[in-house]
Amino acid sequence: EAGVAQSPRYKIIEKRQSVAFWCNPISGHATLYWYQQILGQGPKLLIQFQNNGVVDDSQLPKDRFSAERLKGVDSTLKIQPAKLEDSAVYLCASRLRGEQFFGPGTRLTVL
Amino acid sequence: AQSVTQLGSHVSVSEGALVLLRCNYSSSVPPYLFWYVQYPNQGLQLLLKYTTGATLVKGINGFEAEFKKSETSFHLTKPSAHMSDAAEYFCAVKRPTASKLTFGTGTRLQVTL
Repeated sequence: EAGVAQSPRYKIIEKRQSVAFWCNPISGHATLYWYQQILGQGPKLLIQFQNNGVVDDSQLPKDRFSAERLKGVDSTLKIQPAKLEDSAVYLCASRLRGEQFFGPGTRLTVL
Repeated sequence: AQSVTQLGSHVSVSEGALVLLRCNYSSSVPPYLFWYVQYPNQGLQLLLKYTTGATLVKGINGFEAEFKKSETSFHLTKPSAHMSDAAEYFCAVKRPTASKLTFGTGTRLQVTL
C-alpha cells in the first residue's frame, strides 16, 4: 500500500513570496490533516478535512494560509505572502480507523 | 484541553542500555495516548497507542509504554537500545471522541557505542 505522498520535499523562498505544497493521501482515507512542525517543536495542527469539507481550521493563520481539498482526495496548502517565521516542516497525514499516517513532509525555508 | 510534557529534549544512552523517555499528560477526560517516532527527513510513524484496557502497551521495534493514571504519565521504554533507535520521539494525546492530536515537543534519542 502506498503511503502519504508530499511534494516538494524541500523549498526555499524569500519572504513575501508565495508557496504551495501538495499532498496525496492514502487511497480511501477520508480524513486529511496538515501540520506545521517548527524546529524543536512538536507538530501543530493547521487544518483538518473530512472528505472535501473543513472540520477544524482554528489554528490556521487565515490571513496568509489557505488550503483546499478538491474532490476529497489531493490537497494543497498555500502560504501567501510567506514570513520568516513560516520556516518549518509541513506534514500531511491521513487517517483510517483511528490511526494517522504521515507523509515525509515538505521542509520550507524562508529567507 | 489536552497537553503533553516531554521531559528531556535530548537523551543519550549506550547501545544495549535501557531506554526511558518520559511523557506526562494533562487531560480533562480519559485520554488516548500515543508515541510516534520520526527518523531524519521522514514523517512520523506510530510506535504504540493506549486507548482503553490493559495499561501496559507493546509496540513495534521492542518498545512499550505504561499508562499510569495516578501519575498522569505514559513513559516509553525499551530494555536494550540499538543504534537504529536513534531518532526523535513524540508523545501525543487526544480525546476519545475527537481526532485531533496534541503533540509534545519531542525527545531526541542518541545511541552511542
